[in-house]
Amino acid sequence: GENVEQHPSTLSVQEGDSAVIKCTYSDSASNYFPWYKQELGKGPQLIIDIRSNVGEKKDQRIAVTLNKTAKHFSLHITETQPEDSAVYFCAASPSNYGQNFVFGPGTRLSVLP
Amino acid sequence: GAGVSQSPSNKVTEKGKDVELRCDPISGHTALYWYRQRLGQGLEFLIYFQGNSAPDKSGLPSDRFSAERTGESVSTLTIQRTQQEDSAVYLCASSLTSGKAEQFFGPGTRLTVL
Repeated sequence: GENVEQHPSTLSVQEGDSAVIKCTYSDSASNYFPWYKQELGKGPQLIIDIRSNVGEKKDQRIAVTLNKTAKHFSLHITETQPEDSAVYFCAASPSNYGQNFVFGPGTRLSVLP
Repeated sequence: GAGVSQSPSNKVTEKGKDVELRCDPISGHTALYWYRQRLGQGLEFLIYFQGNSAPDKSGLPSDRFSAERTGESVSTLTIQRTQQEDSAVYLCASSLTSGKAEQFFGPGTRLTVL
């Protein structure tokens, strides 16, 4: 089955700096990769996703890159703000319309003012 | 509009007791998922419902865990004879159809087994 690893487990950056979180997956059949943000006491919320037919996707300050050959994908947050502080989870799914995601263990991002 | 709701928000129980956790999905969402999130960990898939199809129970960790869903409405997750290792946040999510990838999560139920 699919196994998703995520690094780093914790990340602290100064406000305005960039943050990068990396994930690797094991199942070459996976072709859908969402990123979720979980704020304290809340459920995760989708922030961006990428499918295997593209290598990069951007949405304002957030971007995701995918390297299918190496089986890794990364989340990039530019111009970080205090409200970006949260736990971020990557996930992989073996179909474009995946019912079941395999989630990474999460990265706790702290943006220091 | 209303999102996914879960109740109770917190549940403290004694080892060996049964608990029921409730999830109200977003109206019109045919797919419903339950996950377990241990402290500081990722999301562990438990069970998936899609319309009237047989549920995917492949993630349930033991026969003490079961879940039901009536049609496309409320779901309950039942844990029998709770153990301390069952302590976790139980998250419910729903999505519009199985063809839509975005899952909308509820706030979770924090279960503590003493």
